[in-house]
Amino acid sequence: AQSVSQHNHHVILSEAASLELGCNYSYGGTVNLFWYVQYPGQHLQLLLKYFSGDPLVKGIKGFEAEFIKSKFSFNLRKPSVQWSDTAEYFCAVNAKSSYIPTFGRGTSLIVHP
Amino acid sequence: GAGVSQSPSNKVTEKGKDVELRCDPISGHTALYWYRQSLGQGLEFLIYFQGNSAPDKSGLPSDRFSAERTGGSVSTLTIQRTQQEDSAVYLCASSTSGTSSYNEQFFGPGTRLTVL
Repeated sequence: AQSVSQHNHHVILSEAASLELGCNYSYGGTVNLFWYVQYPGQHLQLLLKYFSGDPLVKGIKGFEAEFIKSKFSFNLRKPSVQWSDTAEYFCAVNAKSSYIPTFGRGTSLIVHP
Repeated sequence: GAGVSQSPSNKVTEKGKDVELRCDPISGHTALYWYRQSLGQGLEFLIYFQGNSAPDKSGLPSDRFSAERTGGSVSTLTIQRTQQEDSAVYLCASSTSGTSSYNEQFFGPGTRLTVL
């Protein structure tokens, strides 16, 4: 069975700081990878996704993630965070043979103005 | 168009009572998922519906949990004889088709269930 690990459960940053949230998965086959975000009081929504091709994926609001197959990782990055990035971030992995994604525990990001 | 809606938004019940949670997916979405999110935990898959196919119930934690989807649209998650450990946020998501693993899921706002 596949699993997803998000190593940082709580991250606190000041505005303009750089962000990197870790995501590692355990599955030997080919996968689709997602980052979802949940802003306070809002629904979970897709931030970015990787299916194939360029392993560096760009999403909304200046976020990007890099798929490193050899490390089974899909870390989320943003060079300069804003107060409005305060949210819960979830990494999810779909084996290409499956229609049910596995989610990580989430990382709570707080950005101080 | 309208997103995924869920009702009620909050439900407080007493231990041992039955509860029903409702999900209205986005119109035209054939795949529907139920998840449970407990405090500090990720999303725990519960059940998956795809069109008229038999649902994948592999994530249901016990036989007290059941779900149905009528007419390929609205879904109801039922928890019988609720226990305190059932307290969580129950999320519903839909997608355009579950026969491909490529599809983005659209989530509802969730139902926060509290069992006293």
